[in-house]
Amino acid sequence: SQQGEEDPQALSIQEGENATMNCSYKTSINNLQWYRQNSGRGLVHLILIRSNEREKHSGRLRVTLDTSKKSSSLLITASRAADTASYFCATNQFYFGTGTSLTVIP
Amino acid sequence: NAGVTQTPKFQVLKTGQSMTLQCAQDMNHNSMYWYRQDPGMGLRLIYYSASEGTTDKGEVPNGYNVSRLNKREFSLRLESAAPSQTSVYFCASSEDVGAANEKLFFGSGTQLSVL
Repeated sequence: SQQGEEDPQALSIQEGENATMNCSYKTSINNLQWYRQNSGRGLVHLILIRSNEREKHSGRLRVTLDTSKKSSSLLITASRAADTASYFCATNQFYFGTGTSLTVIP
Repeated sequence: NAGVTQTPKFQVLKTGQSMTLQCAQDMNHNSMYWYRQDPGMGLRLIYYSASEGTTDKGEVPNGYNVSRLNKREFSLRLESAAPSQTSVYFCASSEDVGAANEKLFFGSGTQLSVL
């Protein structure tokens, strides 16, 4: 399988805390993307980082990319109950990780 | 704008039956994709269409066929459904495939059960 893997599989935090999830992948990439999926819904694009970038910010989201280690991390700062969802990384639109299930407790 | 629309939302089939999942996008995107999502497996690419008139296999194409009917529509057909095809199916689109800044827009999914 070409799929990547997210770590941890599940994460539970208190509202206001930061959440960090990691993604490891196997292929060479043009870009790496992070998506959010609320229960029973389709995926929504959050942020894209290109292979020549090391860090990118968007609002409360911070993504890092280490192509030498084939890994990426997504940091959500000051989490809210509405951030409760599953988060997936994807490489080159084709290969998705197995996801991290985030629960933010109010 | 509706974005990416999939039909049906739910379907129950008996083993051996056939069906077609429909997908349409109104964003004038060139590329369209079909994924399946199974518990603990993330999304896996079944087929994609880089542009109108072309289709290519993804990671798990066996048991499926696709048709890029026109620029807007991309259908997925199960000729003889099997219980292993029980899954949630997602259609997605993007402006182009393989470009450095491409992001995917997803439909809301079809939950398929094969008994």
